[in-house]
Amino acid sequence: RKEVEQDPGPFNVPEGATVAFNCTYSNSASQSFFWYRQDCRKEPKLLMSVYSSGNEDGRFTAQLNRASQYISLLIRDSKLSDSATYLCVVNPFGYKLSFGAGTTVTVRA
Amino acid sequence: DAGVIQSPRHEVTEMGQEVTLRCKPISGHNSLFWYRQTMMRGLELLIYFNNNVPIDDSGMPEDRFSAKMPNASFSTLKIQPSEPRDSAVYFCASSPPGSNEQFFGPGTRLTVL
Repeated sequence: RKEVEQDPGPFNVPEGATVAFNCTYSNSASQSFFWYRQDCRKEPKLLMSVYSSGNEDGRFTAQLNRASQYISLLIRDSKLSDSATYLCVVNPFGYKLSFGAGTTVTVRA
Repeated sequence: DAGVIQSPRHEVTEMGQEVTLRCKPISGHNSLFWYRQTMMRGLELLIYFNNNVPIDDSGMPEDRFSAKMPNASFSTLKIQPSEPRDSAVYFCASSPPGSNEQFFGPGTRLTVL
């Protein structure tokens, strides 16, 4: 079983729509959680950390469910510039980060 | 502020040649990571340095790969001899003390013919 599993998508949505997707992780002792965004042929960039109580950053909302071992990301009022691959990232211990394969989101005009 | 700097950005070489990739982490960061990304395998951690000391090199594929960090502002990843299956994007990332957040460089796109 992979450490982090994501629906690869693609999620194809019109501008202004809301899109949401999850990832699951296998290690129940995982400490920290993140969403990274990766544009085509670019490096992964930290989008937001995910806290146990859930957190928002503008149009982005992240939720963590430790009991079910999943993390979600919701994007409201989608923009064309939100088109990217979103990587779910879990810190199972210490320094190590486990990356999901990514969920591709395409926002169309 | 300068982010992680990597060079070269692109490298095309022939099988059997030596390849050296370079990384300058963000100033003040004490952890450095080398990753490889391919379509088939995604992002794989190759090696992790903390305070210039290699802590975990279990991801280094084989003896053809080696990495060094002679000081806090410079690291190299060397492949000798290179093979076509080494073709990938190699990322360097760094993180500050006490944090698990990693900041990635722009990557080196390596093609081995």
